[in-house]
Amino acid sequence: RKEVEQDPGPFNVPEGATVAFNCTYSNSASQSFFWYRQDCRKEPKLLMSVYSSGNEDGRFTAQLNRASQYISLLIRDSKLSDSATYLCVVSKGAGGTSYGKLTFGQGTILTVHP
Amino acid sequence: GAGVSQTPSNKVTEKGKYVELRCDPISGHTALYWYRQSLGQGPEFLIYFQGTGAADDSGLPNDRFFAVRPEGSVSTLKIQRTERGDSAVYLCASSLIPQETQYFGPGTRLLVL
Repeated sequence: RKEVEQDPGPFNVPEGATVAFNCTYSNSASQSFFWYRQDCRKEPKLLMSVYSSGNEDGRFTAQLNRASQYISLLIRDSKLSDSATYLCVVSKGAGGTSYGKLTFGQGTILTVHP
Repeated sequence: GAGVSQTPSNKVTEKGKYVELRCDPISGHTALYWYRQSLGQGPEFLIYFQGTGAADDSGLPNDRFFAVRPEGSVSTLKIQRTERGDSAVYLCASSLIPQETQYFGPGTRLLVL
């Protein structure tokens, strides 16, 4: 079993739709959680950190359930520019920061169409 | 400011050859990471340097892979006796200190024929 598992996707949604991605992790020692975005043939870039209380950044909302070892990302009012691969990432760093090794899920492809 | 840079951007080699991949981290970043990404997969951790020393090399797949960072800045990932299964994108990342956000370079696409 992979340490971080994500919905395989792909997700194809119209502009303006709301879409949700889910992720589970197996290592209970994981302390820090992130969503990264990766455009086609580009490097991953940090989208947002995920905090226990849940957090929002504009149209993006991230949730963490430590008891279920489950992370989610919600995108509201999808834009064409949201088309990318979304990577769920965990780390053993404490205090909401990354430390050393990041463990990535396989990624979920999102395509937003007109 | 300048981000993480990696050279070459693409490398084609033959099975059994030796290759070196270079990473220039963001100036002042003390932590440097190497990851490998195969098609359709997320990046997979290889090794992490804090300064000149390898703090965690648990992700190196076997002894054909080796990385150095002699002066605490530029790092080189070395692969001996390359195999077709080594074909992937090799990503380098750096962070100011280990606890901070990792910034990735554009990667080196390695193809072993």
